[in-house]
Amino acid sequence: EADIYQTPRYLVIGTGKKITLECSQTMGHDKMYWYQQDPGMELHLIHYSYGVNSTEKGDLSSESTVSRIRTEHFPLTLESARPSHTSQYLCASKATTGNTGELFFGEGSRLTVL
Amino acid sequence: AQSVTQLGSHVSVSEGALVLLRCNYSSSVPPYLFWYVQYPNQGLQLLLKYTSAATLVKGINGFEAEFKKSETSFHLTKPSAHMSDAAEYFCAVSDSGGYQKVTFGIGTKLQVIP
Repeated sequence: EADIYQTPRYLVIGTGKKITLECSQTMGHDKMYWYQQDPGMELHLIHYSYGVNSTEKGDLSSESTVSRIRTEHFPLTLESARPSHTSQYLCASKATTGNTGELFFGEGSRLTVL
Repeated sequence: AQSVTQLGSHVSVSEGALVLLRCNYSSSVPPYLFWYVQYPNQGLQLLLKYTSAATLVKGINGFEAEFKKSETSFHLTKPSAHMSDAAEYFCAVSDSGGYQKVTFGIGTKLQVIP
């Protein structure tokens, strides 16, 4: 069973607020990812990391930022939230060696910006 | 470049009927292929994966999928639908190289009618 946790699960905030979505995994995976999911659309990769102090932007442009100071922790931050940021954000991780590309997902953080 | 096409964003079946969810892919290198399931308000969970071993892959909850290279397809089937199968299903492709970028389809929402 995968051990990857996201908090908060649900967040409703006003425009202009700073928010951080937390993601932690206890599997020792080096690779971690943030996806944005909107109804009727494919999952879009917005950030990824291949290890500590490594972060890259994904395929979909995002105003959010990420950090990777510890292997197990990959938080996503929005400095000033806007209604266009309303979405579900999914964190995932993957083993570096001996794996076949399988992603382990957290339960998601559903963000609503009013 | 790789891509995934899921035919039918919504599929309805009667309880006990055959489930068939279609997935076609394109990939310039031998692919790894996956089906994930997402229940409401949860993250994605791996159903099954193809990694160049047997072309008929069995997964959890009675699902299976067959890799057909000539048709570039990886359709998901289950002989008899259960109410608990109602969920959204995502097909995904990953290249078999070191980077292993994962590309998802838009998902198919399965409704099971009693």
